[in-house]
Amino acid sequence: DAKTTQPPSMDCAEGRAANLPCNHSTISGNEYVYWYRQIHSQGPQYIIHGLKNNETNEMASLIITEDRKSSTLILPHATLRDTAVYYCIGGNKLVFGAGTILRVKS
Amino acid sequence: NAGVTQTPKFQVLKTGQSMTLQCAQDMNHEYMSWYRQDPGMGLRLIHYSVGAGITDQGEVPNGYNVSRSTTEDFPLRLLSAAPSQTSVYFCASSYFTGIRANYGYTFGSGTRLTVV
Repeated sequence: DAKTTQPPSMDCAEGRAANLPCNHSTISGNEYVYWYRQIHSQGPQYIIHGLKNNETNEMASLIITEDRKSSTLILPHATLRDTAVYYCIGGNKLVFGAGTILRVKS
Repeated sequence: NAGVTQTPKFQVLKTGQSMTLQCAQDMNHEYMSWYRQDPGMGLRLIHYSVGAGITDQGEVPNGYNVSRSTTEDFPLRLLSAAPSQTSVYFCASSYFTGIRANYGYTFGSGTRLTVV
């Protein structure tokens, strides 16, 4: 599984897009990039995943660079309820790092 | 459809006691796994299973045993509880398509364990 690097924290204004970066330079060709979030002390919640192409669902968009060494999770209109720890995971065994604390502020 | 159910939600053990944390899913998922999360930390993989009768170790397996006799259940056993095992334990499940596990994982709500 690939090692991932994320900033420890980010702030975002309510209603604006939140762009969360992730580096996964050691990812191999058949490993997916997954994003999860954890709100307070709840169980992690799946957001989105992708292999090579950009992906979009009802929660977020995932932009993966052509060389697959990094990706960006985009929450298009962040709300206060999006305040959470966001985890980027490279690989199929789901090994979590420290994640990014996203604080959405009014 | 209950998803992933973990019991108990809270537990206090004395050092040296043993216990089993229960995890059950009703989604017919092949893949199940156990994580622990210490305060302020990310999740660490303890054990996982890709199907009934198959288990493997994760990052931090010492002090824990698992078995997978059915698709639905994946219990985690603490053999002799230690204060270092005080943590929140999460169970997760997913469909499994071999090396390309391309489905999102569903997590339970966690078991908060304190060992005194």
